[in-house]
Amino acid sequence: LAKTTQPISMDSYEGQEVNITCSHNNIATNDYITWYQQFPSQGPRFIIQGYKTKVTNEVASLFIPADRKSSTLSLPRVSLSDTAVYYCLVGVRAGNNRKLIWGLGTSLAVNP
Amino acid sequence: KAGVTQTPRYLIKTRGQQVTLSCSPISGHRSVSWYQQTPGQGLQFLFEYFSETQRNKGNFPGRFSGRQFSNSRSEMNVSTLELGDSALYLCASSSKGAEAFFGQGTRLTVV
Repeated sequence: LAKTTQPISMDSYEGQEVNITCSHNNIATNDYITWYQQFPSQGPRFIIQGYKTKVTNEVASLFIPADRKSSTLSLPRVSLSDTAVYYCLVGVRAGNNRKLIWGLGTSLAVNP
Repeated sequence: KAGVTQTPRYLIKTRGQQVTLSCSPISGHRSVSWYQQTPGQGLQFLFEYFSETQRNKGNFPGRFSGRQFSNSRSEMNVSTLELGDSALYLCASSSKGAEAFFGQGTRLTVV
């Protein structure tokens, strides 16, 4: 079963680019990678999702190398409000169903 | 469009009691998943329901159960509460395997 591993915590400063890497060694061909953001006492919020290469939306980019054993969430020019926990998860097919495998999250602290 | 609504937001129960949590998914979403979140374990999948049928189940004891109604609303029940059941319980709804939308959760404290 696929498992994700990501750093427990990271520190950054306002205006910097932040890259959070997640390892998922056993990801299968048809699995996808999704990132969520969570603030204290709130439910996680979807950020971005991808299968391979690069995906970009208005808030982040997701880089997935050819071997798909890792992925990197890139947050451009972070602000204080980006302080949160970021979760990498892999969607895994289980027969006709799909399970989401969550990592333990990376606690990002953005400092002024 | 209203988001995922979970009730109650906060709950305090004593050991041995049972509790029922409710989740109303986004209109049109037929898949509802439940998660338990604790500081040490992160988010742990409890179960997923789709069209009133349990589709997936995590590794939790039988004290944890759930159901989904014909309007897609879902409830989860925990019987014989233990101190270790204190956690944030999150519900998420999705449509046809797309991104999951989470509610704000129910903070359960067992004393």
